[in-house]
Amino acid sequence: SAVISQKPSRDICQRGTSLTIQCQVDSQVTMMFWYRQQPGQSLTLIATANQGSEATYESGFVIDKFPISRPNLTFSTLTVSNMSPEDSSIYLCSVDGLAGNTGELFFGEGSRLTVL
Amino acid sequence: QKEVEQNSGPLSVPEGAIASLNCTYSDRGSQSFFWYRQYSGKSPELIMFIYSNGDKEDGRFTAQLNKASQYVSLLIRDSQPSDSATYLCAVREGGSYIPTFGRGTSLIVHP
Repeated sequence: SAVISQKPSRDICQRGTSLTIQCQVDSQVTMMFWYRQQPGQSLTLIATANQGSEATYESGFVIDKFPISRPNLTFSTLTVSNMSPEDSSIYLCSVDGLAGNTGELFFGEGSRLTVL
Repeated sequence: QKEVEQNSGPLSVPEGAIASLNCTYSDRGSQSFFWYRQYSGKSPELIMFIYSNGDKEDGRFTAQLNKASQYVSLLIRDSQPSDSATYLCAVREGGSYIPTFGRGTSLIVHP
């Protein structure tokens, strides 16, 4: 399994501001994903972070709101822009198994954002 | 729209009993099936995966898959209070690399 470090682990943010979440993996991985988990809800995929190209966003998520960077095979960032209280959630970085494309996902510790 | 359905629970079982968690899915093309455990305030952790019809056992955990009926279940034998968590079912279609998650079933194992 991969060791995935996310930061910040939690933050309290003001409406209208932006926050960048960082995800560092201890080995090179092809597939990196960003999920959101709202209270009492399951995991919703925001986007797939692609190394060397733009992220692939799921329906309902747009680059202007959730810009993503993937400068190399071990690191990615997700920015939550112009935040509103509806963005209060846990954001999770995830990678596929080290062999790639197995569907067996490993998750970072999560970043719990509260927007006031 | 691919759907993965789970009873949200909570499912309450006494210590030592068998806990049975169920999941149904809508996409008949689904090929891979996963169970994740998520403790309160923690991130999900993969505990089982199954690809073929039938049972797959790993310690106290057994995953059961029935593709004809489109359901997958997780049995936890000799349940312990430490098994108390939310269990997420995830299903992946054959042509996709991204699984779809259910909303999870909360399990409470009481002493």
